[in-house]
Amino acid sequence: GAGVSQSPSNKVTEKGKDVELRCDPISGHTALYWYRQSLGQGLEFLIYFQGNSAPDKSGLPSDRFSAERTGGSVSTLTIQRTQQEDSAVYLCASSLVSNSNQPQHFGDGTRLSIL
Amino acid sequence: SQQGEEDPQALSIQEGENATMNCSYKTSINNLQWYRQNSGRGLVHLILIRSNEREKHSGRLRVTLDTSKKSSSLLITASRAADTASYFCATATTGTASKLTFGTGTRLQVTL
Repeated sequence: GAGVSQSPSNKVTEKGKDVELRCDPISGHTALYWYRQSLGQGLEFLIYFQGNSAPDKSGLPSDRFSAERTGGSVSTLTIQRTQQEDSAVYLCASSLVSNSNQPQHFGDGTRLSIL
Repeated sequence: SQQGEEDPQALSIQEGENATMNCSYKTSINNLQWYRQNSGRGLVHLILIRSNEREKHSGRLRVTLDTSKKSSSLLITASRAADTASYFCATATTGTASKLTFGTGTRLQVTL
């Protein structure tokens, strides 16, 4: 596609429910990143993939958070037993390769609200 | 945790004026990048400056990097209303492959 696509754009759910967020990177981009942005704040790194493997999961806040990537393309971020502090915008980015000299291309994010 | 700290947190200027934003960081870096975020949208990459570079230009953007002071500045010349956005610096720390650490951002408001 033309850019990074994320779905849904907005998600409202009740505390305790599980949610899945989807990211479709730019075609041909082998690296994929997930970030979390709380209101008015900068971005907090969660995890990145090179192909289907995740060399760095250090930013995942707890074991309720997991992510996978299949076929070197689409990625899903899953949050189990959601808590109110999980409310944030979840941003996905992709780059041609996982090299820090490559710019990252971002989707518009999923705005997650936990009631 | 946030490595970069932008200064100021918010900046309001009139169209045609220059806008300067600063970023400080803490660790040794491979490069420093600046991104723009319009309200409700994702981030857009503006410019990348490597650790062995001191200054870089792209259109109306000028970025400087001082590794001895661990700081960078972004200058937008002849600002336009369309430049209204939040601006973030991001650092690629040496030895952390592709992981970027973002600052807290500067909110720029350009008025007519």
